Amino acid sequence: GAGVSQSPRYKVAKRGQDVALRCDPISGHVSLFWYQQALGQGPEFLTYFQNEAQLDKSGLPSDRFFAERPEGSVSTLKIQRTQQEDSAVYLCASSTPIGANYGYTFGSGTRLTVV
Amino acid sequence: GESVGLHLPTLSVQEGDNSIINCAYSNSASDYFIWYKQESGKGPQFIIDIRSNMDKRQGQRVTVLLNKTVKHLSLQIAATQPGDSAVYFCAENSFSSSNTGKLIFGQGTTLQVKP
Repeated sequence: GAGVSQSPRYKVAKRGQDVALRCDPISGHVSLFWYQQALGQGPEFLTYFQNEAQLDKSGLPSDRFFAERPEGSVSTLKIQRTQQEDSAVYLCASSTPIGANYGYTFGSGTRLTVV
Repeated sequence: GESVGLHLPTLSVQEGDNSIINCAYSNSASDYFIWYKQESGKGPQFIIDIRSNMDKRQGQRVTVLLNKTVKHLSLQIAATQPGDSAVYFCAENSFSSSNTGKLIFGQGTTLQVKP
């Protein structure tokens, strides 16, 4: 497709369960970002990939959060032992290399609810 | 579904009027600013951007103004339409040599357009 695709759209997890969220960026986009958006808040940066290299993971809130992009295309955000405070929308964005095109294209996000 | 704009400041305007949405940014080193529109259940959508070497930039029905002295950004929407109803976020970035392109988002403002 032409846009950033995220799956699943909705995920309900029991506290303590592990979850995996998938992002398919726009084809050819080198840069990929993950953001977390709590209800009523702006998105907050989690991590950044350039191709398969994770260049910035300063926003990951704890070591329960892990992201990967092994082949420089699809990315997965994994959350282990989910807690209620992890409930949020997780947004993925992709762009052409920094400096060539600053614009991000966001996906529609995955809404995670931890019960 | 749940509203992205829950608990956010709200601007209510009449259809056809002009809208002005304001944003105060935090980092004086930021040199790139973007306005995003987010509709319920969707990811942020790029509207317009501006670099710090500019004070004003115009798009189709939208104008962004930047006042670096007071670290203030505004988005003006001309002839507001019902389809403009959404949450609007400003975002800032600093393209230093170590920067990875991550954006810092503001709080957001809900725009409601009355027919």
